[in-house]
Amino acid sequence: SQQGEEDPQALSIQEGENATMNCSYKTSINNLQWYRQNSGRGLVHLILIRSNEREKHSGRLRVTLDTSKKSSSLLITASRAADTASYFCATVLRHRAGSYQLTFGKGTKLSVIP
Amino acid sequence: EPEVTQTPSHQVTQMGQEVILRCVPISNHLYFYWYRQILGQKVEFLVSFYNNEISEKSEIFDDQFSVERPDGSNFTLKIRSTKLEDSAMYFCASSEGPRVYEQYFGPGTRLTVT
Repeated sequence: SQQGEEDPQALSIQEGENATMNCSYKTSINNLQWYRQNSGRGLVHLILIRSNEREKHSGRLRVTLDTSKKSSSLLITASRAADTASYFCATVLRHRAGSYQLTFGKGTKLSVIP
Repeated sequence: EPEVTQTPSHQVTQMGQEVILRCVPISNHLYFYWYRQILGQKVEFLVSFYNNEISEKSEIFDDQFSVERPDGSNFTLKIRSTKLEDSAMYFCASSEGPRVYEQYFGPGTRLTVT
């Protein structure tokens, strides 16, 4: 099955520094997504990168995708204390009738110290 | 901005009791999902629902689980006879339609089975 596995499991940085999180997966994908989860809250969609894209930007987020290595990275530039959260990559498994499921990794817990 | 809502935010129940978790997906979305996250573990797919029927379910979604869309707005997950191992955060999600891969998650219901 498709699985995203993030590393590191935990990352602690100072405010203003950049944070890089990596994700590896096992099978071919149509797209890969990154989600954020604040403690005890729901998941928030951050960015989607398609299999034919290599890099994508959204504000302070930069995502790369290397399908030959089955890996992706999420870079948060100029981090803020409010970026403190867990970050998950998710791959898509399509079902019939157009629905699909997201398969999440265990996530990277990011702490940004003010 | 439209959002997915879930009630209750926390449910405590005794083993063997039935629980119903409620969700109101985003109004123009067509696909609905339930996921769960056991404390410290990955977010796991339970079931997808489209056109008033289950389109896919995982191995976790056994006969103890059922889903329903009783009216035009609510989407419910019922656990018939809860077990201790059902204790988890349960997330409802919705998505717009086929080939739109972003899912929008609710804040979750924390289910505690004692």
